[in-house]
Amino acid sequence: GESVGLHLPTLSVQEGDNSIINCAYSNSASDYFIWYKQESGKGPQFIIDIRSNMDKRQGQRVTVLLNKTVKHLSLQIAATQPGDSAVYFCAEKETSGSRLTFGEGTQLTVNP
Amino acid sequence: SQTIHQWPATLVQPVGSPLSLECTVEGTSNPNLYWYRQAAGRGLQLLFYSVGIGQISSEVPQNLSASRPQDRQFILSSKKLLLSDSGFYLCAWSVSWDGVSQYFGPGTRLLVL
Repeated sequence: GESVGLHLPTLSVQEGDNSIINCAYSNSASDYFIWYKQESGKGPQFIIDIRSNMDKRQGQRVTVLLNKTVKHLSLQIAATQPGDSAVYFCAEKETSGSRLTFGEGTQLTVNP
Repeated sequence: SQTIHQWPATLVQPVGSPLSLECTVEGTSNPNLYWYRQAAGRGLQLLFYSVGIGQISSEVPQNLSASRPQDRQFILSSKKLLLSDSGFYLCAWSVSWDGVSQYFGPGTRLLVL
């Protein structure tokens, strides 16, 4: 299943399916992007990051894709598991400074 | 390895009372430190960040303040809490020379009544 993080804040998928969570950013000066996972009542957990000189990066069961032309970032989770249920945030950082700007988040629910 | 602690985990305070939330980081030196607030079901709002002892940058005008009395200690305070101060407060750190990937603490849930 797919979602646009800023317009469809919820995504529901079946266990074992692949999930795609999308994020649109507006700052063309952003050169670094991060995906965080936040479980209920806990702090955000770093998942994966990508720099603007890359368009794809893979981790364990996760892939981040960056399309700078349309300012779009996505997180793909393979074989989604119940433990993946959480809110997922994208964050961006400008070339200068250490300030991150967070998106509003997407609630991912994995149905058994 | 680095760890970040926040306390208390939850706090219920009356309107007009003072506030002090503490954050400490272990296993790293001279980190950048951050305070965020998160409203229920929403994203993170940066409140303060610090690049060194005694150096505080405020992002949003409000009745909160921050201090960094030691290298790995970051404190969020208020003299008089408002109802609108309720929320989930998160502390984060990043490597000073990089300052990109931020790692978050477990958070403090504050309810002002």
